[in-house]
Amino acid sequence: SQTIHQWPATLVQPVGSPLSLECTVEGTSNPNLYWYRQAAGRGLQLLFYSVGIGQISSEVPQNLSASRPQDRQFILSSKKLLLSDSGFYLCAWSAAGGRGYTFGSGTRLTVV
Amino acid sequence: AQSVSQHNHHVILSEAASLELGCNYSYGGTVNLFWYVQYPGQHLQLLLKYFSGDPLVKGIKGFEAEFIKSKFSFNLRKPSVQWSDTAEYFCAVGEGFQKLVFGTGTRLLVSP
Repeated sequence: SQTIHQWPATLVQPVGSPLSLECTVEGTSNPNLYWYRQAAGRGLQLLFYSVGIGQISSEVPQNLSASRPQDRQFILSSKKLLLSDSGFYLCAWSAAGGRGYTFGSGTRLTVV
Repeated sequence: AQSVSQHNHHVILSEAASLELGCNYSYGGTVNLFWYVQYPGQHLQLLLKYFSGDPLVKGIKGFEAEFIKSKFSFNLRKPSVQWSDTAEYFCAVGEGFQKLVFGTGTRLLVSP
């Protein structure tokens, strides 16, 4: 069966520090991968999605970037965190051409 | 760009009351429609989905939703809510088979 792993679960980082959140999917190949941010009162905002290795689409201009170095690995990064980057980040996957999304357990990021 | 509107941000009901949560979207093409639920401290979970066919969709835990194409709506319903239905509910619309766009969510509190 397919599973999605996301870590860490919580993270507290100082302003200006770098960020790396990792997401991996098991049990499937060539998944579509997504990074969402959930902010209170704003629902889930799609940040990036990827349909293949090295293929990244950005939905919202921001201080973050994403990379897909391997088929089932999706990384969210920042060189210098801002206070406004605080939030709950969710990774998700769907089968290529599929019709359902599975979400990871999320990472609560607090920038102080 | 498509958007998803959930007009009820907070809903408070007593047990056994009926529930209807509104969801409207702006995309005029073929869409896939979803309702997700997030129970306190848990992952996002799929409640139900609509791709085609019967516009009345049955989901888990007694939930259903009706797709009304002319109204661009996909409202979630449950005839009799339980305390365990307390959660945040998200409507989402998929453009083709990629890129889910979420509404801002509705927090439901069911009092015993």
